[in-house]
Amino acid sequence: AQSVTQLDSQVPVFEEAPVELRCNYSSSVSVYLFWYVQYPNQGLQLLLKYLSGSTLVKGINGFEAEFNKSQTSFHLRKPSVHISDTAEYFCAVSEARGYSTLTFGKGTMLLVSP
Amino acid sequence: KAGVTQTPRYLIKTRGQQVTLSCSPISGHRSVSWYQQTPGQGLQFLFEYFSETQRNKGNFPGRFSGRQFSNSRSEMNVSTLELGDSALYLCASSPGTSAAAQYFGPGTRLTVT
Repeated sequence: AQSVTQLDSQVPVFEEAPVELRCNYSSSVSVYLFWYVQYPNQGLQLLLKYLSGSTLVKGINGFEAEFNKSQTSFHLRKPSVHISDTAEYFCAVSEARGYSTLTFGKGTMLLVSP
Repeated sequence: KAGVTQTPRYLIKTRGQQVTLSCSPISGHRSVSWYQQTPGQGLQFLFEYFSETQRNKGNFPGRFSGRQFSNSRSEMNVSTLELGDSALYLCASSPGTSAAAQYFGPGTRLTVT
């Protein structure tokens, strides 16, 4: 079984500042990793995913994430945030074998202020 | 391609009643997964259907059930509703193969009074 820990429940940041949302996972097998974003009263939108290969993954809206196998982490970063990035961000993991369901972290609320 | 659609978007039911939620996946996707989202428990996996068969199941009581039709549309049913069933129910669509990402619908907000 896998588990995901998002270390911060809330991250306040000023507009145009850089941000990092932290995610650590636990699994006894190889995994695929995902970041999703949820805007108020909406479903989840896929930001990016890591399956294999380059450990630096680029996603939509200027976000990127780096897979670190030794630290079992998959932190999400953006060099300059906008007000519109205010949302809840979820890290998720699935086993890299067969078809596996997603296990989500508790989420991190990113609050961008002017 | 049209995205994942869920109906209804909002629902208010009384304790003890039953409810059916519907999900239409992205065209060509054969897998539909259901999740329950609550402030306390976060996102929890309910079950996944692939080609009309339940392929995975989460840790929920038997009051929660689902099915998938030949056109890949899926329904989930909750019988004997409890106050704790109030949640956002999210449906996710996927081609169903390994490494395929899941694409989520807007959810159905269920309130049990």
